[in-house]
Amino acid sequence: LAKTTQPISMDSYEGQEVNITCSHNNIATNDYITWYQQFPSQGPRFIIQGYKTKVTNEVASLFIPADRKSSTLSLPRVSLSDTAVYYCLVGDPNTGGFKTIFGAGTRLFVKA
Amino acid sequence: DSGVTQTPKHLITATGQRVTLRCSPRSGDLSVYWYQQSLDQGLQFLIQYYNGEERAKGNILERFSAQQFPDLHSELNLSSLELGDSALYFCASSTLAGDYNEQFFGPGTRLTVL
Repeated sequence: LAKTTQPISMDSYEGQEVNITCSHNNIATNDYITWYQQFPSQGPRFIIQGYKTKVTNEVASLFIPADRKSSTLSLPRVSLSDTAVYYCLVGDPNTGGFKTIFGAGTRLFVKA
Repeated sequence: DSGVTQTPKHLITATGQRVTLRCSPRSGDLSVYWYQQSLDQGLQFLIQYYNGEERAKGNILERFSAQQFPDLHSELNLSSLELGDSALYFCASSTLAGDYNEQFFGPGTRLTVL
């Protein structure tokens, strides 16, 4: 299973774009990159998933370079309500029977 | 609202006791996952069931056990409770068996062991 490394914490201000990078040097061919968001005392919520290049939805964008050894979650114009922990996961969505590893995540704090 | 329900929301008990946490997955979801999250800790995967059968096992203690019933709801049993078992326990469900498909998380059960 690919291990991920992401910053422990990040600070930002309202209205700024936030980019959180995740390193996954030993990502496998069939692995996808998935990001979740978790607010205090709540269950995580799926944000976005991608395999290569760029994926965008109404919440975020995910940038994945050609070598796929890293990925960047981009949150446009953050607000105070985006303060949360963001988890980067790497694994094959078409294969079961493995542990789902969330890691420590990145704690994003958005200031006014 | 993710569609996943967990009961109870809060549970306070004493060391040495046994408790059962219940999870109802989203309608149609066959996979159920259990996670433990201690204070300021990340999510620790405990166990996964798919259509009634155990599919994957994490660092689940021998004092803990789980099952998924024919109606697809799942229960996590925690016995001989210790102070360190105090945590948030989350259940998640997904449609497919692949672990890295989108998982939908319930609101969690907060367990306090005194």
